[in-house]
Amino acid sequence: DAGVTQSPTHLIKTRGQQVTLRCSPKSGHDTVSWYQQALGQGPQFIFQYYEEEERQRGNFPDRFSGHQFPNYSSELNVNALLLGDSALYLCASSLWGPPGNTIYFGEGSWLTVV
Amino acid sequence: AQKVTQAQTEISVVEKEDVTLDCVYETRDTTYYLFWYKQPPSGELVFLIRRNSFDEQNEISGRYSWNFQKSTSSFNFTITASQVVDSAVYFCALSGVNNAGNMLTFGGGTRLMVKP
Repeated sequence: DAGVTQSPTHLIKTRGQQVTLRCSPKSGHDTVSWYQQALGQGPQFIFQYYEEEERQRGNFPDRFSGHQFPNYSSELNVNALLLGDSALYLCASSLWGPPGNTIYFGEGSWLTVV
Repeated sequence: AQKVTQAQTEISVVEKEDVTLDCVYETRDTTYYLFWYKQPPSGELVFLIRRNSFDEQNEISGRYSWNFQKSTSSFNFTITASQVVDSAVYFCALSGVNNAGNMLTFGGGTRLMVKP
């Protein structure tokens, strides 16, 4: 049973560029969330997708956008990269429904903006 | 608004010592869920436990135990007879009843270093 898989694992981008990160949820899960984790801090919720729609969004600018595909996989796009966007980006999958469902995380994508 | 505080940023113990990681939370929800995750250097958050607000029973799983006290809004995590493999960053997280999609609010994490 495959867990949450993310790609790429590491990448380096230049300020002003755009980046796309990808996530495949755990088998059987239909909800994907994205989190940003800056060095030395806890993860911060970016947004969440279910049924190919953004359902919830954290306090992140519009430069952060996403997409969910019919097979439940998801992409996170960040435009006009800033140095402060350097972080570990974690994808989480779960089942949509009442809160309390266990949420599983991937190993993340380490983004460095130079 | 929800908030999770992990006041201990870093703890260092010697192998076989017991260690307790503190977690204090704030929420206006009457129904909520608390989680603990372990993050090894690889980056993946490994699920350890989920507890709902109506279940204040302590839980033990091997060397791990959790103490949930609603009266003090705390959900502390104890590792008994710590091992070097326990070295990691541990996060406490909260999900409220209004978050149908299970949005998690994380604390800042506690880095645990277990020395041989």
